[in-house]
Formats: sequence, structure tokens, C-alpha cells
Amino acid sequence: QITLKESGPTLVKPTQTLTLTCTFSGFSLSTSGVGVGWIRQPPGKALEWLALIYWNDDKRYSPSLKSRLTITKDASKNQVVLTMTNMDPVDTATYYCAHTLTTVGAFDIWGQGTMVTVSS
Amino acid sequence: QSVLTQPPSASGTPGQRVTISCSGSSSNIGSNYVYWYQQLPGTAPKLLIYMNNQRPSGVPDRFSGSKSGTSASLAISGLRSEDEADYYCAAWDDSLSGVVFGGGTKLTVL
Repeated sequence: QITLKESGPTLVKPTQTLTLTCTFSGFSLSTSGVGVGWIRQPPGKALEWLALIYWNDDKRYSPSLKSRLTITKDASKNQVVLTMTNMDPVDTATYYCAHTLTTVGAFDIWGQGTMVTVSS
Repeated sequence: QSVLTQPPSASGTPGQRVTISCSGSSSNIGSNYVYWYQQLPGTAPKLLIYMNNQRPSGVPDRFSGSKSGTSASLAISGLRSEDEADYYCAAWDDSLSGVVFGGGTKLTVL
């Protein structure tokens, strides 16, 4: 059974750097075709894809946020970390991590999400 | 402003068939698979349809997906009260080299 869980601060100040960790079980990020992505959702708004990392360390970023994002993996710890610099109140959102397979293409299993508020 | 365009709302009565559209372009829907997600109130999104028209295990066959050109549709037949949720389409975009989502459609079961 695949599960993912996001963790990190619930409150960050403007200009600070956000670090979120996705801890997963039931699959390995060393297995060919496996990936983990990050998606966020501001309150009452739509989903927005942020970043994606694959088993082979291939990384993809949302073009609009690329300069602020870094995604890394630690396959031995079953974790994926997303950092976002220069946080702003508009970055207030629920942040989700999700499992994907290149053979499927979709985010097929999602974490429960973690709410991050940006405020001074 | 989302790259994929969905109607903000849709509605139907129990037992009815409803469809939700998703419009894109040649760089996303026109050349890649479409995915649909269901988000019940207060919960994480759930994959409903992958590769245009495939249902993951456990998704009822009342849900079906289709694609034509640069547009896609999600159809829900035999509408039930528990189908009341937000629905999002998504696809890979070759120009952006990333995943794009629609703005979401809020389905109300009257």
C-alpha cells in the first residue's frame, strides 16, 4: 500500500524559505519509472503543479516558479524535499506531494496535504 | 488563469448524466494524455481517469473520459449525491515542460 505524508512548518514569514518534506512508503524512488511531485492549492482556488522528481534524478519545475524551487530526493530515507525561497502571502496554500509512474503519467496517490500560511 | 479551461460549475439531479469539459491546446491536450481528479470537500484530490479514458481500480464505471483534438470531457452517469465535488483535468504541456491543471469544476447534485 502506497502512502505519502507531507510535513513542514504551518506558518512562515514573508521572505523566508519554506522547506517541506514528503515521507513515503510502499514504493521506492530507486525503481525505474517512479516519481514524486508537489502540487499546491490556495484556499478556495485551483490546483497548481510545482515540481516533479524521478527515480533517475530528472527534475522538472513549474516555469513560473522555477527560480524559487528546489526539489531533491533521498531514496534511502524514502523522502522528497521541496524548498521554496522568498515566500509571500500569495504562497499561502495546502501543499500536496503525490506518487507518479511514467507508465501512467498521472499523480495516482496523494498525501493528505499540509497547510502553509505566509504571514508576518 | 489556468492553462486548461473548465466551466466553473455544473449541476444535475440524481440519476442524470452530466459532462464536464476541458479545453486546451496543441501543446497539452492535443499531444498528450488527459487526467481527471475528483476532490471531495476537505480532502486531497483522487485520480479518477488516466490516459484519457482509463479508470484506476475502484473507480466506478459511471465515470468515463474522452478526448478529441484539443478538448476532453468527463462524463458521470447515474449521478449520485456523493459525486458532489470539485473536478480537475490535467495534462502534460510540451511547451511548458510541466503539468498543467484546469481551473476546476464544482459539481452540485441538486
